[in-house]
Amino acid sequence: GEDVEQSLFLSVREGDSSVINCTYTDSSSTYLYWYKQEPGAGLQLLTYIFSNMDMKQDQRLTVLLNKKDKHLSLRIADTQTGDSAIYFCAEKDGNNRLAFGKGNQVVVIP
Amino acid sequence: NAGVTQTPKFRILKIGQSMTLQCTQDMNHNYMYWYRQDPGMGLKLIYYSVGAGITDKGEVPNGYNVSRSTTEDFPLRLELAAPSQTSVYFCASSYSRPDPVFEGYGYTFGSGTRLTVV
Repeated sequence: GEDVEQSLFLSVREGDSSVINCTYTDSSSTYLYWYKQEPGAGLQLLTYIFSNMDMKQDQRLTVLLNKKDKHLSLRIADTQTGDSAIYFCAEKDGNNRLAFGKGNQVVVIP
Repeated sequence: NAGVTQTPKFRILKIGQSMTLQCTQDMNHNYMYWYRQDPGMGLKLIYYSVGAGITDKGEVPNGYNVSRSTTEDFPLRLELAAPSQTSVYFCASSYSRPDPVFEGYGYTFGSGTRLTVV
């Protein structure tokens, strides 16, 4: 099965940029996703990228994909206190199942 | 349009008791999933279903059962609760079609059921 790796904790000052990294193992993954989980809530889809893309920008979010290294990153520009959450990357297998990383906790310091 | 609804939100069970976690979706999604989330860990897939009448095991199915008699409902059953099943349980649903429009929606998650087995 897939194995998605993420580092665990990041603190960032409000207004700075945050970068969260993820590595995955399934080179046949066609879609990769970033989800956000706020305390006590379910996961909310933030953005996704198709595997034939290198970059995708969506307002304050920039996703970079390095297929050669199986590395995915999420950059949040102008980080706000509302961005404090756990962020999960996920890859989709051929059976439409998502494999999730352990998540990155992002804490935004005012 | 409620999305994915899970009940109950919280539950405390004694060892050996049984219970059913309810999940229903109103988006006519064909795929549904159950995940558990343990502290500091990602989500682990318990069971999933590709349509009414069809279910399959995920990574961690032991101690659980599911059924999918309708498109809307996908209940998760714990028959003999054990402390190792203390976790937060999430139900999710999605379309499965080779269409980038649908891929962009990803999964829709419920708000979770926090279960403690004592």
